[in-house]
Amino acid sequence: EAAVTQSPRNKVTVTGGNVTLSCRQTNSHNYMYWYRQDTGHGLRLIHYSYGAGNLQIGDVPDGYKATRTTQEDFFLLLELASPSQTSLYFCASSDRVTEVFFGKGTRLTVV
Amino acid sequence: QQKVQQSPESLIVPEGGMASLNCTSSDRNVDYFWWYRQHSGKSPKMLMSIFSNGEKEEGRFTVHLNKASLHTSLHIRDSQPSDSALYLCAANTGYQNFYFGKGTSLTVIP
Repeated sequence: EAAVTQSPRNKVTVTGGNVTLSCRQTNSHNYMYWYRQDTGHGLRLIHYSYGAGNLQIGDVPDGYKATRTTQEDFFLLLELASPSQTSLYFCASSDRVTEVFFGKGTRLTVV
Repeated sequence: QQKVQQSPESLIVPEGGMASLNCTSSDRNVDYFWWYRQHSGKSPKMLMSIFSNGEKEEGRFTVHLNKASLHTSLHIRDSQPSDSALYLCAANTGYQNFYFGKGTSLTVIP
């Protein structure tokens, strides 16, 4: 079974704070994704990557940075967190024409 | 602009009934369609995929695809309360850019 591990699972931060969400996959997949999920909006793609050192901009990138340090590790950075970034964040991985495997999610609250 | 549209937004069916969910892509470059199921508090998991015109059946679940209209549908027969979940449609191109719809929330009433 493909494995995608996210940490932390829950995070509370203050407005203006720095947050880093971590994701590791052990599937040897080339593609990794960060999504946010909000009621009424479904899953929205923030950033994705084709491999170590590669970064592609998704549909809702404003306020987010991402970095793919290795094939396994993909990080999402919020440098000045705002309440609008309160959401459920999913990391995922896939390979060419295969299903996307999701992590268990990180619930982020910005107060 | 949402590249994958799903309907209805929510659906209630009685136990044992048929649930029909629809999905259309507005991106003509899309090649592959996927259906994911997300139970409350869980992450999405792939239910079925379809890449060619026609129909594919797996147990109580059937998917149809019409590539000309970029429309896919998921049909669940003999619906069970355990089928209650958010159903997400996804589409992607050969460049591996997955787009998800907003989902259909299915409730199966015992």
